Amino acid sequence: GQNIDQPTEMTATEGAIVQINCTYQTSGFNGLFWYQQHAGEAPTFLSYNVLDGLEEKGRFSSFLSRSKGYSYLLLKELQMKDSASYLCAVRDSNYQLIWGAGTKLIIKP
Amino acid sequence: DTAVSQTPKYLVTQMGNDKSIKCEQNLGHDTMYWYKQDSKKFLKIMFSYNNKELIINETVPNRFSPKSPDKAHLNLHINSLELGDSAVYFCASSPGQGEVETQYFGPGTRLLVL
Repeated sequence: GQNIDQPTEMTATEGAIVQINCTYQTSGFNGLFWYQQHAGEAPTFLSYNVLDGLEEKGRFSSFLSRSKGYSYLLLKELQMKDSASYLCAVRDSNYQLIWGAGTKLIIKP
Repeated sequence: DTAVSQTPKYLVTQMGNDKSIKCEQNLGHDTMYWYKQDSKKFLKIMFSYNNKELIINETVPNRFSPKSPDKAHLNLHINSLELGDSAVYFCASSPGQGEVETQYFGPGTRLLVL
């Protein structure tokens, strides 16, 4: 079967750095996405990786290792507004998006 | 200006009723989706439509039926609502099946079945 694993919840301090991991087992791979979802709102796109390595976008970076079936989202200089759920999703060989259950990130002052 | 819109935002109804949720996108996208997000926040794909053709139909009960009158609309009709149908339903759209295929989500419809 297809599976995406992420930690259920993480806590970090304002101004710090946090890394949210995602491991996946899917039938084929056509890219990995990270989405952010604030409570009561819709998911919004953060990043996309299809090749191995690090993609940097301001305070957010996403890393991919296809051989390990592993990705992480790195958030730097955390702000209170970063408190949200972070969803990892993998596009399989049929171009279907397989979603993880999300990691709820709690930022403390 | 809203890219993907859904109505209603909240829906409270009795078990056994039939209801519809509407979705419209003004992005000119070719593909639209319906997702169900349950209390555990897990997003599950229900349907997707590409140019008015159903291309994904996950193992959802046949009480759920998507209807797409045109490329910009994908409505979700639910018959004989059950308690377990209570969830947030998100509509989304994407340009097609290209390299970077981000999905744009609507604000969600919070369905509560009593």
